[in-house]
Amino acid sequence: DQQVKQNSPSLSVQEGRISILNCDYTNSMFDYFLWYKKYPAEGPTFLISISSIKDKNEDGRFTVFLNKSAKHLSLHIVPSQPGDSAVYFCAASGGSQGNLIFGKGTKLSVKP
Amino acid sequence: DSGVTQTPKHLITATGQRVTLRCSPRSGDLSVYWYQQSLDQGLQFLIQYYNGEERAKGNILERFSAQQFPDLHSELNLSSLELGDSALYFCASSPLADPGYNEQFFGPGTRLTVL
Repeated sequence: DQQVKQNSPSLSVQEGRISILNCDYTNSMFDYFLWYKKYPAEGPTFLISISSIKDKNEDGRFTVFLNKSAKHLSLHIVPSQPGDSAVYFCAASGGSQGNLIFGKGTKLSVKP
Repeated sequence: DSGVTQTPKHLITATGQRVTLRCSPRSGDLSVYWYQQSLDQGLQFLIQYYNGEERAKGNILERFSAQQFPDLHSELNLSSLELGDSALYFCASSPLADPGYNEQFFGPGTRLTVL
């Protein structure tokens, strides 16, 4: 049973527009959420995180929104750049699940 | 470059064989984590070591084992390999013992192919 779900395997966006990547979770005990970015032939790299005491965290072009009642978080990238093309993984932790639980990832393609 | 190194980069072997994957964490990091990424799957947590001791266990098969040495490098041993073990194996490290509330730094991975 997947506790962290990324229902869109892929997303294509025009350069300069907004990219919105979504993530849903089922475990209400999760209280810390992270996004990782992965380029081909490289390991995932940390992008941004958010604690459940917040509903928004911003870092430059990247903003993560958390809706605890809906058990949903999203990553917004504004403006999107071709270099943002990668696979984005959502991860969660908390409660009895101390380790990171990852979603399957969303492949973002930003077209020039 | 995350500072985490993994060797080998690629490994091709046959069913029934045994292989060892190696990971060197970032300088100063005491925790090492192993993950498996099969085709179209997210990263599945296998096991964590902190300062030489097993800290947490995930979905690790009994045919798999790991250890962390005094110099903090870690090895993941996979035995009696099956076709389904073909995957990317990532190692990650972090400074702290608690895995969930801090960033983990990932290595480039080892691609294992079992024929």
